[in-house]
Amino acid sequence: QQQVRQSPQSLTVWEGETAILNCSYENSAFDYFPWYQQFPGEGPALLISILSVSNKKEDGRFTIFFNKREKKLSLHIADSQPGDSATYFCAASTGYQNFYFGKGTSLTVIP
Amino acid sequence: EAAVTQSPRNKVAVTGGKVTLSCNQTNNHNNMYWYRQDTGHGLRLIHYSYGAGSTEKGDIPDGYKASRPSQENFSLILELATPSQTSVYFCASGERHAETLYFGSGTRLTVL
Repeated sequence: QQQVRQSPQSLTVWEGETAILNCSYENSAFDYFPWYQQFPGEGPALLISILSVSNKKEDGRFTIFFNKREKKLSLHIADSQPGDSATYFCAASTGYQNFYFGKGTSLTVIP
Repeated sequence: EAAVTQSPRNKVAVTGGKVTLSCNQTNNHNNMYWYRQDTGHGLRLIHYSYGAGSTEKGDIPDGYKASRPSQENFSLILELATPSQTSVYFCASGERHAETLYFGSGTRLTVL
């Protein structure tokens, strides 16, 4: 059973647009949700994260919106740049243990 | 910045052969993890460890063994490799109850 689901599988936006990546989860016990960014040939790296006690987290052009009631969250990338082209993984954990990853969203930003 | 080094970067093995993937981290993290990444499946947890001498099964442990002989090293062992184990394998480390996993650059394994 997939604990964390992501959509869309792939997304293409123009430079300057806002990219929206979606994530949902099953387990109500999850309390920490990191997003990882992965470039080809590299391992994933932490981009931004949120705790379930918050409904929004911003870091520069990256914002997480979190809806605990609906068990959904989304990553918004404002003013998308070609350098943002990567695969983005939503993950979830309880107490920072045993992270469960979604299948990823492949983002392409066209100049 | 945490350093996680995997070796080899690429490996070609024959069906039925034994394969050992190695991982070394230099930041004294307690927890280490092995994931595999496949198109359409994302990252799936194979084995993990909370410290030297301990290994735990993840979500897809069948066909894999793990070894944590020291704080720094964590190996993934395929005793009898099969073509279905062709994948990219990532090692990660992190502090206990910490927010961040630090990933290595991956090992691409092809089993012929």
